[in-house]
Amino acid sequence: EAGVTQFPSHSVIEKGQTVTLRCDPISGHDNLYWYRRVMGKEIKFLLHFVKESKQDESGMPNNRFLAERTGGTYSTLKVQPAELEDSGVYFCASSQESLAGRETQYFGPGTRLLVL
Amino acid sequence: GQSLEQPSEVTAVEGAIVQINCTYQTSGFYGLSWYQQHDGGAPTFLSYNGLDGLEETGRFSSFLSRSDSYGYLLLQELQMKDSASYFCAVRDEAGGFKTIFGAGTRLFVKA
Repeated sequence: EAGVTQFPSHSVIEKGQTVTLRCDPISGHDNLYWYRRVMGKEIKFLLHFVKESKQDESGMPNNRFLAERTGGTYSTLKVQPAELEDSGVYFCASSQESLAGRETQYFGPGTRLLVL
Repeated sequence: GQSLEQPSEVTAVEGAIVQINCTYQTSGFYGLSWYQQHDGGAPTFLSYNGLDGLEETGRFSSFLSRSDSYGYLLLQELQMKDSASYFCAVRDEAGGFKTIFGAGTRLFVKA
């Protein structure tokens, strides 16, 4: 079974440009999460999809970030326009259930974004 | 607010035992999990505690005390390959049971 995949693995862009990150979750996983980690800090929650619906987007920094999950399969996270503080590693994770209690999230390898 | 505290770094020698502590403050609590991340890799699930007590999985054990808002990960018979970052994470009832992660503890295992 394929794991969570993310594309690209690395992205270097200039301030003001646009970048779109893609995440393909494990097939059959309804839950999809986006996280960001800045060096040495916590893995910060950005948002949570259940199928194609946004369950919680309280972690999105501002309106420069737009996430979509059309058809409840893969998801994209677009940053437009990118700022220096957007640099970090963006992780995607998926899971099968979202009820209270045990949940195993399967993480992708991350996209390392550097904004110059 | 929501926060998790864990040490930033721990160093230990091969064959030793190390304990990584985690204290949390969240509006709701639905379990404490631990994830391991090697440099450049993806975080991977290690263990989960929903109730108080000790859960054992091979060389790794995890403990939870809900009354103390505290848990720990215990790694025994340390191996060089255990050098990695370890994150504690709490499921919070806010916003549909989202998971809040700590900043991670970097474990260095020396020969």
